Amino acid sequence: SQTIHQWPATLVQPVGSPLSLECTVEGTSNPNLYWYRQAAGRGLQLLFYSVGIGQISSEVPQNLSASRPQDRQFILSSKKLLLSDSGFYLCAWGKGGHTEAFFGQGTRLTVV
Amino acid sequence: GESVGLHLPTLSVQEGDNSIINCAYSNSASDYFIWYKQESGKGPQFIIDIRSNMDKRQGQRVTVLLNKTVKHLSLQIAATQPGDSAVYFCAENFATGNQFYFGTGTSLTVIP
Repeated sequence: SQTIHQWPATLVQPVGSPLSLECTVEGTSNPNLYWYRQAAGRGLQLLFYSVGIGQISSEVPQNLSASRPQDRQFILSSKKLLLSDSGFYLCAWGKGGHTEAFFGQGTRLTVV
Repeated sequence: GESVGLHLPTLSVQEGDNSIINCAYSNSASDYFIWYKQESGKGPQFIIDIRSNMDKRQGQRVTVLLNKTVKHLSLQIAATQPGDSAVYFCAENFATGNQFYFGTGTSLTVIP
C-alpha cells in the first residue's frame, strides 16, 4: 500500500533562518506531488506541484521554493524565513487522471 | 479560484440529524471534484469524489451532488455522528492540469 511521510511534525524557527521540509512517498512510482499551506482557520493554498523529477510548478509568488531530487521525494525550502511563512504545511501525492490526492499529516511551522 | 483568505463558515447540527455542506467552485472547466474531511492538526482525508459527467454519487452515509449549471457542489451526511465533527473541504481539478484547488472549507460541529 502507498504511504506518505512528512517531517518534522512541528517546527519553530527564528525569522531569517533557513527551512527544509521533506516529504516522501512509498508504494507508488511517478506520482504527482504537491505542497499546500494552510493558515490557521483557513483553507488550503496550493504552493507547488510536480509531475516528475526536477519539474516544479509554482502557483503563487512567495519566499519558498520546492525541489524534487528523486521520484518520490519532495522538498520545501526557504533561504530566509519570514513571520508570514508560519502555517500548516501539507504534502500530498496523486496519480492524476481523475483520482484523488492523498495527504501527509502536515508540519506545523511557527516562525518567531 | 481559491478562497483561502476567508475564515471558515461553521455549521452545527444535532447528533442523528442530516448535514448538508455546500461549496461553490469557480472554474467551469473543472471536471473532477473531491470532498475531504480534516480533523484538527491532521491532513485532509478523502471522503468521496465525483466526475462532471455525473450529478450525484453516494457512499456510506454520504452523498455528493453536483450542479454544473450554477457551479455548486454539496455534501450530505446522513445521521450525523460526533465523529463527523471536522472541517470539510471541496476540491476541484481542472481538465487540463494536475492541480487540486480547495474551497474555503466548512467547520462542522455535531452536538450530542
